[in-house]
Amino acid sequence: AQKVTQAQTEISVVEKEDVTLDCVYETRDTTYYLFWYKQPPSGELVFLIRRNSFDEQNEISGRYSWNFQKSTSSFNFTITASQVVDSAVYFCALSEAGTGGFKTIFGAGTRLFVKA
Amino acid sequence: GAGVSQSPSNKVTEKGKDVELRCDPISGHTALYWYRQSLGQGLEFLIYFQGNSAPDKSGLPSDRFSAERTGGSVSTLTIQRTQQEDSAVYLCASRRTSGSADTQYFGPGTRLTVL
Repeated sequence: AQKVTQAQTEISVVEKEDVTLDCVYETRDTTYYLFWYKQPPSGELVFLIRRNSFDEQNEISGRYSWNFQKSTSSFNFTITASQVVDSAVYFCALSEAGTGGFKTIFGAGTRLFVKA
Repeated sequence: GAGVSQSPSNKVTEKGKDVELRCDPISGHTALYWYRQSLGQGLEFLIYFQGNSAPDKSGLPSDRFSAERTGGSVSTLTIQRTQQEDSAVYLCASRRTSGSADTQYFGPGTRLTVL
């Protein structure tokens, strides 16, 4: 069965600190996709990144970077030099190709507070 | 518009009343999802539509919940005889295809409060 675990419920950092949000997933499929979404206080979920199971290359986008490790079933998200605007709830999600791909399972989310 | 839209943005109703929530997906997207997000919680899958196929209703919490999608576009989520535990934000998302690689794009949600 698919499962996504975000063990960190809340994280609080001071601006300019680096912060890593953990995501651990479970799946029996060999083909699957992982996502990160951001939900700012306004409420609308914003897509950040998609990664397929065959591509373990880490990705960097500005201050954001993602570390995908199949050996530990983790897809962690790091924000470098955090800013107040990064304050939001971040969700990790998993889609399995084997189920027809339609169902995306979301983790419970990690609430990030960045203090000025 | 370019994104997923939902209406109303807020709905306050009395216990026992029926409510309808509307979702307009991104034009051309064949897959549509409904989720529920209770205060401070993650997303709970409710129902999924893909093209003309029968919807997957496995996430609907009770038979008071139903949804339809007309013409492969607009979707309506109906909650009958609302209960206080139905209070949540109801999110709609659309996807270009059913493929697992495709990203879901979310609407702003409808905040439902049942008094």
